[in-house]
Amino acid sequence: AQKVTQAQTEISVVEKEDVTLDCVYETRDTTYYLFWYKQPPSGELVFLIRRNSFDEQNEISGRYSWNFQKSTSSFNFTITASQVVDSAVYFCALSEALYFTGTASKLTFGTGTRLQVTL
Amino acid sequence: EPEVTQTPSHQVTQMGQEVILRCVPISNHLYFYWYRQILGQKVEFLVSFYNNEISEKSEIFDDQFSVERPDGSNFTLKIRSTKLEDSAMYFCASSLGTSGLADTQYFGPGTRLTVL
Repeated sequence: AQKVTQAQTEISVVEKEDVTLDCVYETRDTTYYLFWYKQPPSGELVFLIRRNSFDEQNEISGRYSWNFQKSTSSFNFTITASQVVDSAVYFCALSEALYFTGTASKLTFGTGTRLQVTL
Repeated sequence: EPEVTQTPSHQVTQMGQEVILRCVPISNHLYFYWYRQILGQKVEFLVSFYNNEISEKSEIFDDQFSVERPDGSNFTLKIRSTKLEDSAMYFCASSLGTSGLADTQYFGPGTRLTVL
């Protein structure tokens, strides 16, 4: 069975601080996908990034960066120089691959980390 | 940019009533999903739909729930006889479903269902 653990329930930082959100996953599949979604106070789920299990290259996108380590089953997310607009709940999610189509199936979400950025 | 839309944004109903939640997935997407999020909790998978049939469903998706793609654009979730515990935010999502590629699910803004 798949499982995603986000041990940090809530993090509070002051604007311009760097913050790392942790995500640890469990799966028996050798091919899987990892995702981060952002849920701002308005409630929608906004896709941030997708990672394949066979691609451990870290990624940077502006102030966001992701560190994927298969050896520790972790997919951590760092926001550099945080801003008030980053305040949201961040969800890490895992999906197995459907081999006959190569497409991802259901998402298994973690419990989310609420990030509060203050001035 | 194409997006998933959902109506209504908020639905209030009496226990035992039927509700239909509507979604318009992104037009060229082939896989459709429903998830729910009870207030303050994590997002949970309900059902996935492909080629006009359910491809996977969770234990939450019991006989009270059904899904349908009544035409070429809409995707609906019906709850036959609502219970208090069905109160939640319901998210529709869609994905492209292209073979051989990692697939991202794009979510709609959600419908908040309140059962009284």
